[in-house]
Amino acid sequence: KAGVTQTPRYLIKTRGQQVTLSCSPISGHRSVSWYQQTPGQGLQFLFEYFSETQRNKGNFPGRFSGRQFSNSRSEMNVSTLELGDSALYLCASSLWTGIMNTEAFFGQGTRLTVV
Amino acid sequence: AQSVSQHNHHVILSEAASLELGCNYSYGGTVNLFWYVQYPGQHLQLLLKYFSGDPLVKGIKGFEAEFIKSKFSFNLRKPSVQWSDTAEYFCAVNGDGNEKLTFGTGTRLTIIP
Repeated sequence: KAGVTQTPRYLIKTRGQQVTLSCSPISGHRSVSWYQQTPGQGLQFLFEYFSETQRNKGNFPGRFSGRQFSNSRSEMNVSTLELGDSALYLCASSLWTGIMNTEAFFGQGTRLTVV
Repeated sequence: AQSVSQHNHHVILSEAASLELGCNYSYGGTVNLFWYVQYPGQHLQLLLKYFSGDPLVKGIKGFEAEFIKSKFSFNLRKPSVQWSDTAEYFCAVNGDGNEKLTFGTGTRLTIIP
């Protein structure tokens, strides 16, 4: 069974640009979450999507947005990039059903560097 | 608001030593607890999880953790560490049907051969 796949693995962008990151969840998983990992702040929750709807949102500015498609694949977008957006962006998927507890499986992440 | 504290930022041990990493959480409802490990250059992997039932949970690679509700703790243990256990370890919590994970700041574990 394929794991969570994130593309691209590495990105270098210039301040002010925008970027789109992609995540393909494990087959059958309908919940997709995004996290930002930095040395200073650790792992911070960005948002979670389920059945194309955003269910949860973390404390990030509106420049950070996401969406989920009907096949459960998800994208996140960061507009007007700032140097502080340099981070490892992690995607996680889970088999959330609303009935039983589930665990999240993480992708390898996209390393974004803003210069 | 939920929070997770990992008090040990960097732990250095010799091979065969016993390990205990602390994790304390703050959460208002029914809690699920996790330990994830991140080996150098690799993705986060689940070591073990607690949803309900027996508070002593066993995970992969010989790790175990004990949920002590009265102390809001979920400490990770391993009786004898190996050099290959060198990694960063994260404690995390969610609950009440909410998939959002709140992570601790992580503990870097270095095992000296």
